[in-house]
Amino acid sequence: EIVLTQSPGTLSLSPGERATLSCRASQSVSSSYLAWYQQKPGQAPRLLIYGASSRTTGIPDRFSGSGSGTDFTLTISRLEPEDFAVYYCQQYGSSPPTFGQGTKVEIK
Amino acid sequence: QVQLVQSGAEVKKPGSSVKVSCKASGGTFSSYAISWVRQAPGQGLEWMGGIIPIFGTANYAQKFQDRVTITADESANTAYMELSSLRSEDTAVYYCARDGYNNGAFDIWGQGTVVIVSS
Repeated sequence: EIVLTQSPGTLSLSPGERATLSCRASQSVSSSYLAWYQQKPGQAPRLLIYGASSRTTGIPDRFSGSGSGTDFTLTISRLEPEDFAVYYCQQYGSSPPTFGQGTKVEIK
Repeated sequence: QVQLVQSGAEVKKPGSSVKVSCKASGGTFSSYAISWVRQAPGQGLEWMGGIIPIFGTANYAQKFQDRVTITADESANTAYMELSSLRSEDTAVYYCARDGYNNGAFDIWGQGTVVIVSS
């Protein structure tokens, strides 16, 4: 199965700053079938990005995804207070679908 | 807008089984795959398996192949996940999630069901 490694484990930033989260796959993710989720404490994950770069309906444009092959990035252009959460990448190009271990974006 | 509503929290003894339900309301159920994903306390997300209700055939992660059964009742708009031979390591929040793009990204999630395995 494809192993996803996210970095950094924790990102300490202030509101208004730019966040750059990385997701590296152990082998190429076919057709850029890579998604990003946001999870807040006590809540289910929420889909932000699918197909590596397509935003789900209702997701603000400060969230953007990029990358292909084995290297993917989620960028939050200007952090809002509600963006502090844990972010997971997921590949669904090959079975089984797998998730990264998560990056926590915390308030500095 | 489709919502997935899961059954309530469970406390189980080691060696027993648990069956969690996931009812869809407000939209089409049968033509989208429903997956089950679990999250142990303080840990990440783990895919267990999924089913497309209209076809009725489930596929499972190898780790759970021998212990999990995923089914769906189209008439009730409900999917089920049964996990057997429970052990303490199965203590987790269990989520159902819809593959709304029919390619593997989960666009709608249930609220989660806490399962605690303890003697």
